[in-house]
Parts: sequence; structure tokens; C-alpha cells
Amino acid sequence: DTGVSQDPRHKITKRGQNVTFRCDPISEHNRLYWYRQTLGQGPEFLTYFQNEAQLEKSRLLSDRFSAERPKGSFSTLEIQRTEQGDSAMYLCASSLARTGVGDTQYFGPGTRLTVL
Amino acid sequence: DQQVKQNSPSLSVQEGRISILNCDYTNSMFDYFLWYKKYPAEGPTFLISISSIKDKNEDGRFTVFLNKSAKHLSLHIVPSQPGDSAVYFCAASGTVIKAAGNKLTFGGGTRVLVKP
Repeated sequence: DTGVSQDPRHKITKRGQNVTFRCDPISEHNRLYWYRQTLGQGPEFLTYFQNEAQLEKSRLLSDRFSAERPKGSFSTLEIQRTEQGDSAMYLCASSLARTGVGDTQYFGPGTRLTVL
Repeated sequence: DQQVKQNSPSLSVQEGRISILNCDYTNSMFDYFLWYKKYPAEGPTFLISISSIKDKNEDGRFTVFLNKSAKHLSLHIVPSQPGDSAVYFCAASGTVIKAAGNKLTFGGGTRVLVKP
């Protein structure tokens, strides 16, 4: 049973550099979510896709952040001109949308970003 | 504003006893609630969920109770085991209600320590 995978697991970068993270969802899942978690807090929603369509973006997602899911399968999250405040765990989750039923999301292991 | 709150940051319990974790929410548009367990450096693992049409859901050692009038849910773990030591997050979402959407809104987490 293949769960959600994320790559890389850890990324250390210098301020001002661009970084890109990848998420591979559970294969039959049509929804894909990105969250960010900082120390001592619960995960915070960033954006989500249903198939290849990006349906919602949080106000947390500044213009430096962009996400894609080009063929409705894997997704990438890019952060341009990283800042120290971007240091966090970036979590990806996927789910199978079903009418009238709650959306149970399954999370990947996360990508830990450290901006120096 | 915090729409989902876990007011107890930590809980210590003896092995074999019951662990009770609490969660309060403010957004009446939430109609689907989940509990996740998280170990350090890993993504959240789904435990159990409940729809607003129910007031109780049980899965093995885990039971979730929902009190809609009080906007309160709780997770009971019986019996508690040392492997249950982790951080537990409650989360809430909407289903068909657009205002809440499908994204998860998380509480701040409760760290549980089960002593042998």
C-alpha cells in the first residue's frame, strides 16, 4: 500500500534562493493539499487541487509561493526568494472526494525546510 | 482567530488507563471532524473521524465523541499504551458547505505521554 510521498525530506537553503518540493499522492486520490507547520503549532492550510485545478489558496500563500499539479497526479510547491520565516515543515495530503462524505486526508512525511 | 482549539497542551497518563483529549471549535459550518496522531519528524497519521450527523464513533481502542450544541469533541483512548505517546491534533472541515470548504483547520495539538 503506497502512501503519500514527498521529496526531499529535508532542504537547507540560503535566504533568497528558490526551492521546489514534490508530492506524490495516493494513486487513486483526486484531491491534493499543501499545509505548512511551524514548531508548536498545528498544520495550516496553504492550497488544494481537485485533479489539476487549483480550487483554493490561503492568504498565507504569498506571491512568492506557487503550486502546480499539471496532470492531476503529482504536485510541486515552489518558493521563490526564500526568507527565514519560510522555515517550516511543508506537508502534503491527499484524499478521495466523495459526494456527501467528509474528506479524510492522508498525509505524507513532510519536507523540512531550513532557510539560513 | 483560532477556530479549533485544544486547550490542554499536554497530558500524562499511566499505561492501561484512559486518555481523554478535548477539542473545541467555533465555526458552526464545520461538519466533519478528525483526529490525527503525530510523531516527531513525521507527517500526521489519521486515527478516526466523525460526521456531524453522529455523536459517537468507535474504532478499536479509539472513540470520538461529538457534542454539537457545545461545539466540543473528545477522543478517548482505552487502554493507553506506551506507543500512544505522541502529539494529537484535532481537525475540522466542511463537506458541502462552501464557507468552511474542504481544507482542514487544526487545533494546536496535545502532547500525550503514556508512562509504563
